[in-house]
Amino acid sequence: QKEVEQNSGPLSVPEGAIASLNCTYSDRVSQSFFWYRQYSGKSPELIMSIYSNGDKEDGRFTAQLNKASQYVSLLIRDSQPSDSATYLCAVNGNYGQNFVFGPGTRLSVLP
Amino acid sequence: SQTIHQWPATLVQPVGSPLSLECTVEGTSNPNLYWYRQAAGRGLQLLFYSVGIGQISSEVPQNLSASRPQDRQFILSSKKLLLSDSGFYLCAYPGPYYGYTFGSGTRLTVV
Repeated sequence: QKEVEQNSGPLSVPEGAIASLNCTYSDRVSQSFFWYRQYSGKSPELIMSIYSNGDKEDGRFTAQLNKASQYVSLLIRDSQPSDSATYLCAVNGNYGQNFVFGPGTRLSVLP
Repeated sequence: SQTIHQWPATLVQPVGSPLSLECTVEGTSNPNLYWYRQAAGRGLQLLFYSVGIGQISSEVPQNLSASRPQDRQFILSSKKLLLSDSGFYLCAYPGPYYGYTFGSGTRLTVV
């Protein structure tokens, strides 16, 4: 049974701080890793993808992957109230296989 | 460009009534299509996926069924709804960077 785990939160950070969201996965052969943002009542939207060990930066977002530790994280720099949402981690073995989603971490950025 | 449409946006149905949710995709041919359900405060649960017309795979035994009558159409159905069928239903297809792109979702409340 493939599993993806996340702290449910809520994670509260002050505006302007760095928010750190974590995700662990059980399937060692996982190849693709994704972070989705889901605002309350809305569908998830893809914000980051990462495939190899290390860091990947896109604007205020940085995804970090450590396959040896089976760990992927998302850092949000200069957090804004508009970043308040639930962040879902998703893991895929190979393209075409079905994703496994974590339960999500609720982030609250306090003005 | 590829777009995905889902309707209706919200639905309130009595227990025992039938259900039909529709998803259509534009701008792509023969995409893999997926139905997910998100119960209140829970993660995304894969219900069905389809790799082509008439091809349906069920991930979780339940009160629901799916059909793919056309290349870019995916339908989720039930003959008799249960209270436990309430949730946020999302259709998805493989989008950029091999992640999923989700439709806007249907919020179903069974009363």
